[in-house]
Amino acid sequence: GAGVSQTPSNKVTEKGKYVELRCDPISGHTALYWYRQSLGQGPEFLIYFQGTGAADDSGLPNDRFFAVRPEGSVSTLKIQRTERGDSAVYLCASSPLAGELYEQFFGPGTRLTVL
Amino acid sequence: GDSVTQMEGPVTLSEEACLTINCTYTATGYPSLFWYVQYPGEGLQLLLKATKADDKGSNKGFEATYRKETTSFHLEKGSVQVSDSAVYFCALRDDYKLSFGAGTTVTVRA
Repeated sequence: GAGVSQTPSNKVTEKGKYVELRCDPISGHTALYWYRQSLGQGPEFLIYFQGTGAADDSGLPNDRFFAVRPEGSVSTLKIQRTERGDSAVYLCASSPLAGELYEQFFGPGTRLTVL
Repeated sequence: GDSVTQMEGPVTLSEEACLTINCTYTATGYPSLFWYVQYPGEGLQLLLKATKADDKGSNKGFEATYRKETTSFHLEKGSVQVSDSAVYFCALRDDYKLSFGAGTTVTVRA
């Protein structure tokens, strides 16, 4: 079956612009996660959805970052007024449910470059 | 908060050499521990995991043992192949949230 997909695979934008990154989880997975991987670092947790609601958004760096999952499937990570420091690979993962028992399956990521 | 520290790379080995990547963790509870691998051009994949002290995770010839007394989860493989060239991440999980180390790049030469 299809895995987690993310679009676009690469996004180049200018400082100050708005961007949207999309994640399509594995069908039937109710839990969805966003992570950010800066160059030379491991992924860092941003936000977690259980169904349509954001159950934990404690990892979002500031209020320029926002994510939605309106129908409990596809999620969009939105970044306003992008800064050069936002350049990173944004990873999405999904799992059947949240919690220790369920493996998170990762997508290939979106590489965001802010010029 | 919870954190993971892993051996810095890059690591370059010859085929059939032994590989060890050190990983230690700091956590308030008893998290599950993981090794993820990222092959060139691919996404993160779970390599192996251990959910409690003294558990040994294994997969594809790799092994790691959850050592509570030393708060460690070192990754080992006795004989590496060129196809093992990748970036390896140690991680811990507290409920739903994964915390990763910085990653270790491993290159295996033929």
